[in-house]
Amino acid sequence: GENVEQHPSTLSVQEGDSAVIKCTYSDSASNYFPWYKQELGKRPQLIIDIRSNVGEKKDQRIAVTLNKTAKHFSLHITETQPEDSAVYFCAASIGTSGTYKYIFGTGTRLKVLA
Amino acid sequence: GAVVSQHPSWVICKSGTSVKIECRSLDFQATTMFWYRQFPKQSLMLMATSNEGSKATYEQGVEKDKFLINHASLTLSTLTVTSAHPEDSSFYICSASRGEAFFGQGTRLTVV
Repeated sequence: GENVEQHPSTLSVQEGDSAVIKCTYSDSASNYFPWYKQELGKRPQLIIDIRSNVGEKKDQRIAVTLNKTAKHFSLHITETQPEDSAVYFCAASIGTSGTYKYIFGTGTRLKVLA
Repeated sequence: GAVVSQHPSWVICKSGTSVKIECRSLDFQATTMFWYRQFPKQSLMLMATSNEGSKATYEQGVEKDKFLINHASLTLSTLTVTSAHPEDSSFYICSASRGEAFFGQGTRLTVV
């Protein structure tokens, strides 16, 4: 079945440094790759996403890259701030007509040290 | 973005009782909703896909008689945890998809 691996499980960086989280998916039919940020006790919030026809997408300090051939995608956060501390989940999904079934990675706990 | 509302946000129940959790899409129609379970410090595990007007599709290892899903309308899906036991204690989250997925706020279930 579908599987999404995510690394690292924990990541500590100094404020202002960059953070990179990597995911690998198994199903080559996956066509949509969102990233979610989840703060303790709260629902996941979408922070950026990328579709399979795009190799890279950037939104201010956050960027995502996708390598379809290798089935890898990565989240890059630059100039990290303490409020970036949270658990980040990648996901891979298959779907059409606006309905996507998501398989989530195992999560990365990011700590930004002031 | 779209709004998905989940109720209740937390519930404590006695072992052996059943608990119903509601998931509503407030400003859009969702023919498909998803139910996830999240253990502390772990990822979201897809339990089932809830299909409006038809039976839910359960992921491998999820007991369909234990976790009853009903999707009676385009804006409401319910998850009933039947004969709950302490090991069912967890954080349950629903999502509805309109392109991207929008998540409910989650329900923390504690079975005592």
